[in-house]
Amino acid sequence: SQELEQSPQSLIVQEGKNLTINCTSSKTLYGLYWYKQKYGEGLIFLMMLQKGGEEKSHEKITAKLDEKKQQSSLHITASQPSHAGIYLCGADDTGFQKLVFGTGTRLLVSP
Amino acid sequence: DADVTQTPRNRITKTGKRIMLECSQTKGHDRMYWYRQDPGLGLRLIYYSFDVKDINKGEISDGYSVSRQAQAKFSLSLESAIPNQTALYFCATSDSGGGNTEAFFGQGTRLTVV
Repeated sequence: SQELEQSPQSLIVQEGKNLTINCTSSKTLYGLYWYKQKYGEGLIFLMMLQKGGEEKSHEKITAKLDEKKQQSSLHITASQPSHAGIYLCGADDTGFQKLVFGTGTRLLVSP
Repeated sequence: DADVTQTPRNRITKTGKRIMLECSQTKGHDRMYWYRQDPGLGLRLIYYSFDVKDINKGEISDGYSVSRQAQAKFSLSLESAIPNQTALYFCATSDSGGGNTEAFFGQGTRLTVV
């Protein structure tokens, strides 16, 4: 079965600093999804990556998928308090959006 | 209005009670999913449906049942709730057409079984 490891589990960064969250799959993926969740709330879609080597950016968040389509990173530049939350990666290895999720990375941004 | 709506948003129920969580969507998607989220475990797939006549078990279906009443509605039932079903439940939808697409999530239902 698909396994997805996300690291780090938690992260505290000072406002303005950059950070990276990693997501590694045990299988080659059809798609890799990044979501953000405010504590106890719904999931906010950030980005979806499908092609090996693909990179997407939205505002100060950049996500990359490696050439083998098994590893993804999410990079936040110049972090702000609004970036705080739980970041979840979801892997689709079937093409049917039956997502397997990592355990999440809890991000706190200190002033 | 939200594209994927879950009701109720919060529910406290007693052990042994039957409870239904409802999900409706206005996106016109054919695929719908139910997940549960537990602290430290991420989200896990309970059931999924690719169209009205299609129901499939996910990773953790024991103790749950679902009904796809229409393309836009997918409900999750706990026939006899137990405390370890206390969790945050999410409904999601996606579109089958044209390759890999985004999965849209509802706001979640926080269920507590006492």
